[in-house]
Amino acid sequence: GNSVTQMEGPVTLSEEAFLTINCTYTATGYPSLFWYVQYPGEGLQLLLKATKADDKGSNKGFEATYRKETTSFHLEKGSVQVSDSAVYFCALTTDSWGKLQFGAGTQVVVTP
Amino acid sequence: EAQVTQNPRYLITVTGKKLTVTCSQNMNHEYMSWYRQDPGLGLRQIYYSMNVEVTDKGDVPEGYKVSRKEKRNFPLILESPSPNQTSLYFCASTLSPGQPQHFGDGTRLSIL
Repeated sequence: GNSVTQMEGPVTLSEEAFLTINCTYTATGYPSLFWYVQYPGEGLQLLLKATKADDKGSNKGFEATYRKETTSFHLEKGSVQVSDSAVYFCALTTDSWGKLQFGAGTQVVVTP
Repeated sequence: EAQVTQNPRYLITVTGKKLTVTCSQNMNHEYMSWYRQDPGLGLRQIYYSMNVEVTDKGDVPEGYKVSRKEKRNFPLILESPSPNQTSLYFCASTLSPGQPQHFGDGTRLSIL
């Protein structure tokens, strides 16, 4: 079956530091890959997506590249802000019904 | 404003007392899902629906029921709640498979 593995958190960073959250996956077929972000007390919001190999998704300064050879979709941001403090979920879908398979989530805490 | 609305946001109740969590979306989406979020496990799909009167089980359906009598609504029913159903629940909808899902703000259920 499909699965998503994320690095465990919490990840604590200072403002303006570089952020990387690792995500690797196992999937049958050709998955679409997503990063969702959950701010405190809120639901999940799509951060970025990639639908085929070598695609790069980007949004709000975050980037992730779909690497089929390493089955990875690592999330990066060059300079984090306190407002980036949230839980980040890597997810994939291969299902014709659009079912999402989520990783466990990585909490990121950015301090001033 | 496009949104997925869940109610209630918070509920504390007792074992065995039937409860319903409502979910409504205003985007005319055909696909809707329920997820539960538990620490260290990410989000796991409970049930999903491809259209009116068409539903199917996700990964963790035991103890839950759903119905889809109208396109916009997808209630989650716990006929006889138990403490292991204490969790944070999210409803989501999407226009088509492979597209990003829109999430509600979540319902935190505590079953005593």
